[in-house]
Amino acid sequence: NAGVTQTPKFQVLKTGQSMTLQCAQDMNHNSMYWYRQDPGMGLRLIYYSASEGTTDKGEVPNGYNVSRLNKREFSLRLESAAPSQTSVYFCASSLDGGNQPQHFGDGTRLSIL
Amino acid sequence: RKEVEQDPGPFNVPEGATVAFNCTYSNSASQSFFWYRQDCRKEPKLLMSVYSSGNEDGRFTAQLNRASQYISLLIRDSKLSDSATYLCVVLGDNFNKFYFGSGTKLNVKP
Repeated sequence: NAGVTQTPKFQVLKTGQSMTLQCAQDMNHNSMYWYRQDPGMGLRLIYYSASEGTTDKGEVPNGYNVSRLNKREFSLRLESAAPSQTSVYFCASSLDGGNQPQHFGDGTRLSIL
Repeated sequence: RKEVEQDPGPFNVPEGATVAFNCTYSNSASQSFFWYRQDCRKEPKLLMSVYSSGNEDGRFTAQLNRASQYISLLIRDSKLSDSATYLCVVLGDNFNKFYFGSGTKLNVKP
């Protein structure tokens, strides 16, 4: 019962460093999402992928890139990390978007110094 | 204006109490609505979907009021284990863009 798996769970970076957050789901879902959660702000959508081979910007895409490597995997890359990107990042998937609920990974706690 | 707004609380209630949360949304074209529960430093988990006719799952009742653009969650006979943050989620008119409220914190006390 893995569901949605995110790696790493914690990471500390220096300003300007790059890194990739990994996400994989084993539920054969078509849609995948990346969110960030900041205190008092709720979850905000960074990017989403409605299906394999497609990606689209969400509410706060600046400073991020994504890759939908295959149906299972959706990665989020920070090319040049900034302190404003310190946050908790959640990956989610759903069967087909729309009225299908989302299933979330455990989150990645990222600090940029 | 935020897409989804919730009272952040906290709502502090005794065990056994009934408590209700509301959530308002700004896009009248929104099609799907959900309540999620999030425990401290954990991932959000689906509590229930919200249907036009309203729906009930045990002690939890969700309702949708399209005319006034709000959804509600009623929790009866509160348990200590209900203490969490409750997130209101609305699907925008883009089939894949979900908007999350910032959450309402519930503390159930013995």
